[in-house]
Amino acid sequence: DAGVIQSPRHEVTEMGQEVTLRCKPISGHNSLFWYRQTMMRGLELLIYFNNNVPIDDSGMPEDRFSAKMPNASFSTLKIQPSEPRDSAVYFCASSFEVNYGYTFGSGTRLTVV
Amino acid sequence: GEDVEQSLFLSVREGDSSVINCTYTDSSSTYLYWYKQEPGAGLQLLTYIFSNMDMKQDQRLTVLLNKKDKHLSLRIADTQTGDSAIYFCAGSSGAGSYQLTFGKGTKLSVIP
Repeated sequence: DAGVIQSPRHEVTEMGQEVTLRCKPISGHNSLFWYRQTMMRGLELLIYFNNNVPIDDSGMPEDRFSAKMPNASFSTLKIQPSEPRDSAVYFCASSFEVNYGYTFGSGTRLTVV
Repeated sequence: GEDVEQSLFLSVREGDSSVINCTYTDSSSTYLYWYKQEPGAGLQLLTYIFSNMDMKQDQRLTVLLNKKDKHLSLRIADTQTGDSAIYFCAGSSGAGSYQLTFGKGTKLSVIP
C-alpha cells in the first residue's frame, strides 16, 4: 500500500493565483480529512468527507477555499485567489474507522508570495 | 469540543527515558492517540489507547492514561537520536465523533 498520496509536495505561487492541492486516499478508506498546519495555530481541520460526501466544512477559513471529492480515490483542495496568509503545510489524511486513527499524507508545503 | 494541551519542548540524553505529557478536556473521548512527525513529513500514528485501559505497552513505548485527571503520557525507553521529532497527542471530540483534536505538539530533542 502506497499510503495517502499528496501532490505537489511543494508549491510556490503568487498572490491572487489559483492553487489546487491533490490527494489520493488509501484504497478502502471511507473518510478523508484536509488539515492545515502552521507554527502559530498548529493543526487545524479544514474539511471532512465521509463516503465522498462533505460532512463538516466548518474549518474552511473562507469562501476562497473549496474542496471536492468526486470519487473514493481522489480529492482536491482549491484556494482561489491565494493570499500570503494561506502559506502553510496542507495535509490530507484518510481512515476506515476513525477509532483506529488517521493515516496522513506527506503534505503539500504552500508558499504564497 | 475537545481541547488538548502539551508542553512544547523536551530535551533528553540518548539512552535516557523520555516522558511526554498531555492533558485533554473531553472525558467522553473513546480513544486517545500519539502521533510522531519527523521534519518534512506527515504525522505517523505511533500508538493509541482505548479509554477503558490504564496502560498500553508496545516495545519501547508505554502509554499511561489517567482518566480521572484527564492525563495521557507517552514514555519512550532508551531514547535514540532517531526519536527526535514532534509528538502530537490527539483525542476524539466525543463518543463516536469523527474528529480528532490535536495538541500543538511536543518537540523532542535527543542529545547524543
